[in-house]
Amino acid sequence: EPEVTQTPSHQVTQMGQEVILRCVPISNHLYFYWYRQILGQKVEFLVSFYNNEISEKSEIFDDQFSVERPDGSNFTLKIRSTKLEDSAMYFCASSQGSLSGYTFGSGTRLTVV
Amino acid sequence: AQSVAQPEDQVNVAEGNPLTVKCTYSVSGNPYLFWYVQYPNRGLQFLLKYITGDNLVKGSYGFEAEFNKSQTSFHLKKPSALVSDSALYFCAVRESYNTDKLIFGTGTRLQVFP
Repeated sequence: EPEVTQTPSHQVTQMGQEVILRCVPISNHLYFYWYRQILGQKVEFLVSFYNNEISEKSEIFDDQFSVERPDGSNFTLKIRSTKLEDSAMYFCASSQGSLSGYTFGSGTRLTVV
Repeated sequence: AQSVAQPEDQVNVAEGNPLTVKCTYSVSGNPYLFWYVQYPNRGLQFLLKYITGDNLVKGSYGFEAEFNKSQTSFHLKKPSALVSDSALYFCAVRESYNTDKLIFGTGTRLQVFP
């Protein structure tokens, strides 16, 4: 069964540092997403990406965040200057169509110290 | 504003018994409803969805869910629970065709005892 792959599984970074979270979506999917889950809280939408541009983003997704699909297979989330409150599990997801169920990756646990 | 409520943090059921995991929602338009399951150290796995049509939808692993518009509910059910069904279950809603955003509930941990 096709999977969404995320790397690394766990990343520890110092406050103020830049991090890049990487995702390889399923190859024939067209829609890509990032969600995050702060420990003990709900899974929250960050951004959706379609046709090489952001289609929707949440209030959380401020100027410190950016997404890129640099080579047609990877889908990355960059946080320019991490804050303690960015510590969370970050999930990448992809889907074939906007009404299809998403396939999520197993997540990257980001710890900002 | 859109919201999803999963009123139970944990549901315990004996193997072989029917299970129900509850979900209610609040949206201003027509809801698109989803259930996901999360096993330890794994991503969220899609179980089933309601977009339109029959109120009873069937999904993976023998799960089904019933859309009830008057009660704004979308409870997840299975006639006979398995120990392997033990996991964290998330209900999610998408308000309409005009948004990609899923709003998730807080999750319900299902524990099936042998």
